[in-house]
Amino acid sequence: AQSVTQLDSQVPVFEEAPVELRCNYSSSVSVYLFWYVQYPNQGLQLLLKYLSGSTLVKGINGFEAEFNKSQTSFHLRKPSVHISDTAEYFCAGGKGAQKLVFGQGTRLTINP
Amino acid sequence: NAGVMQNPRHLVRRRGQEARLRCSPMKGHSHVYWYRQLPEEGLKFMVYLQKENIIDESGMPKERFSAEFPKEGPSILRIQQVVRGDSAAYFCASSPGQGEYGYTFGSGTRLTVV
Repeated sequence: AQSVTQLDSQVPVFEEAPVELRCNYSSSVSVYLFWYVQYPNQGLQLLLKYLSGSTLVKGINGFEAEFNKSQTSFHLRKPSVHISDTAEYFCAGGKGAQKLVFGQGTRLTINP
Repeated sequence: NAGVMQNPRHLVRRRGQEARLRCSPMKGHSHVYWYRQLPEEGLKFMVYLQKENIIDESGMPKERFSAEFPKEGPSILRIQQVVRGDSAAYFCASSPGQGEYGYTFGSGTRLTVV
């Protein structure tokens, strides 16, 4: 079965510290991988996507993610976080992206 | 260029009533997807539609739920005889084609069944 697993339900970090949000996918999901951000009471905004090519993908707001086929991972990173990055982050994947499989979400909390 | 528009933003229904959720895709987008987000969970795919066609409804509950995307007008997700377990956020997304570019999501409709 297709699955996307986000290993941490909550990640607290201090402002200006680096952060990594972990995501693993089943090999049947693969092909297209995405990270979305959801601010409170809002919809999902696309942060970045991996379709093919370079395994390091840069997105908006200073985020980047690395596609690692051997470890079936697509971890999201930011070198220095801000208070405004407090949100829920979702990893998703799919073949052809008509039907995405989402992870359970990781709540990122930034402490001053 | 307006984004994906969903209305209403909040909807309260009593058990047994009908809920109608509307979604207008981005201009130029002809593919619409509906997802449901239960509390403390990720999004779960429900249905994928193109104009006048249901392409994939594998995530739709077998009863009480239906979706349409007519030639004119918004896509509608309809839930008949709502129950408390239907309380969730329902998100609509659209894409211009096969979706490999990534979806654009609306802000969602939060349905509360009382």
